Amino acid sequence: GAVVSQHPSWVICKSGTSVKIECRSLDFQATTMFWYRQFPKQSLMLMATSNEGSKATYEQGVEKDKFLINHASLTLSTLTVTSAHPEDSSFYICSARQKETQYFGPGTRLLVL
Amino acid sequence: RKEVEQDPGPFNVPEGATVAFNCTYSNSASQSFFWYRQDCRKEPKLLMSVYSSGNEDGRFTAQLNRASQYISLLIRDSKLSDSATYLCVVGGATNKLIFGTGTLLAVQP
Repeated sequence: GAVVSQHPSWVICKSGTSVKIECRSLDFQATTMFWYRQFPKQSLMLMATSNEGSKATYEQGVEKDKFLINHASLTLSTLTVTSAHPEDSSFYICSARQKETQYFGPGTRLLVL
Repeated sequence: RKEVEQDPGPFNVPEGATVAFNCTYSNSASQSFFWYRQDCRKEPKLLMSVYSSGNEDGRFTAQLNRASQYISLLIRDSKLSDSATYLCVVGGATNKLIFGTGTLLAVQP
């Protein structure tokens, strides 16, 4: 199946730091990628839809100025958590759609101290 | 009401048992339905798509009832390796996926 990678796999940072997470589709082109967040014992929550060459579409309650998304090419989307705080600590997962299936990256664990 | 509801479990079953998970969804306009499997601290992986006609993949059978807005997953002859969280996922017209909170399955030796 299609492969989606994420980097880094985990990040520990101090409060106030900005953190960039990369999501790549390795063997297919994805005009649309999705960013999710999952807190412990909760379901994945869609944060935003990343569209290649245009602005991302954010879900209600997600601050677009805090979670910056750039989808500069057909194989790369980045999520930057600006001025991260402890409450931003979570498991961030991206996905890319190929035909009818969404393939998920391995996720990035963010811990903000 | 949550858009996708599942019994969180845990379901503790012995090896070889048959176990069934249920899921309901609230948006009657939903167009696609899936079961994903998520292992601890890992990303979700597609287990199977769910169709109105029902579909089977080895020991796994999925059913969709659009009238009742209900999805099910049946696992026969459970293996230890089936232990995971099973996520009911519903998709709409915009390709967005809505995830249930998952049902935890623990298969005991």
